Amino acid sequence: SQTIHQWPATLVQPVGSPLSLECTVEGTSNPNLYWYRQAAGRGLQLLFYSVGIGQISSEVPQNLSASRPQDRQFILSSKKLLLSDSGFYLCAWSVQGQTNFGPGTRLTVT
Amino acid sequence: GEDVEQSLFLSVREGDSSVINCTYTDSSSTYLYWYKQEPGAGLQLLTYIFSNMDMKQDQRLTVLLNKKDKHLSLRIADTQTGDSAIYFCAESTNAGNMLTFGGGTRLMVKP
Repeated sequence: SQTIHQWPATLVQPVGSPLSLECTVEGTSNPNLYWYRQAAGRGLQLLFYSVGIGQISSEVPQNLSASRPQDRQFILSSKKLLLSDSGFYLCAWSVQGQTNFGPGTRLTVT
Repeated sequence: GEDVEQSLFLSVREGDSSVINCTYTDSSSTYLYWYKQEPGAGLQLLTYIFSNMDMKQDQRLTVLLNKKDKHLSLRIADTQTGDSAIYFCAESTNAGNMLTFGGGTRLMVKP
C-alpha cells in the first residue's frame, strides 16, 4: 500500500532562518506530488506541484521553493523565513485522480 | 479562476443527520472530493465523485452532485461525536489533479 511521510512534524524557526521540509512517498511510482499550505483557520492553498523528477510548477509567488531530486522525494525550502510563512504544510501525492495527504508539518516562525 | 465555497460551521446532535454543502464555479471540474481533518492532523480522503455521477453512497456517507447548479453535498447519517472535524470540499480537473479547496466546514456534534 502507498504511504507518505513528512518530517519534521512540528518546527519552530526564527525569522530569517532557512527551511527544509521533506516528503517521501512509498508504494507508488511516478506520482504527481504537491505542497499545500494551510494558514490558521483557513483552507488549503496549493504552493507547488511536480509531475516528475526536476519538474516543479509554482502556483503562487512566494518566499518558498521546491525541488524533486528523486521520483518519490519532494522538498520544500526557503532561504529566509518570514513571519507569514507560518502554517501547516501538507505534502500530497496523486495517481489516477485520487489525492492523498501526508500527516503535515506545523511550522511556526517567531 | 476556480472558486469553491462552503459554510463555516455546522452543529448537530448525536444521532441526527449532517448535511454539509459546497458550491463550485469551474464547469470543467471532473472530480469532486470530501476530506476530513481532525484537530492537528492531516487530511483524510473520505469519498469522491466523478462529475458524470449524481450520487455516491458509502456506508454512512452520501454524496450528492447537482452539476447544473454546481452544488455538492455530503450527508452523514447517524452522526457521532467522532465525526466532529473540519470537512473540506475540493475539486479538480484532469490537469495534473491539482485540487482547489473550499475553506472548510467545522462540524460540531453535541451529545
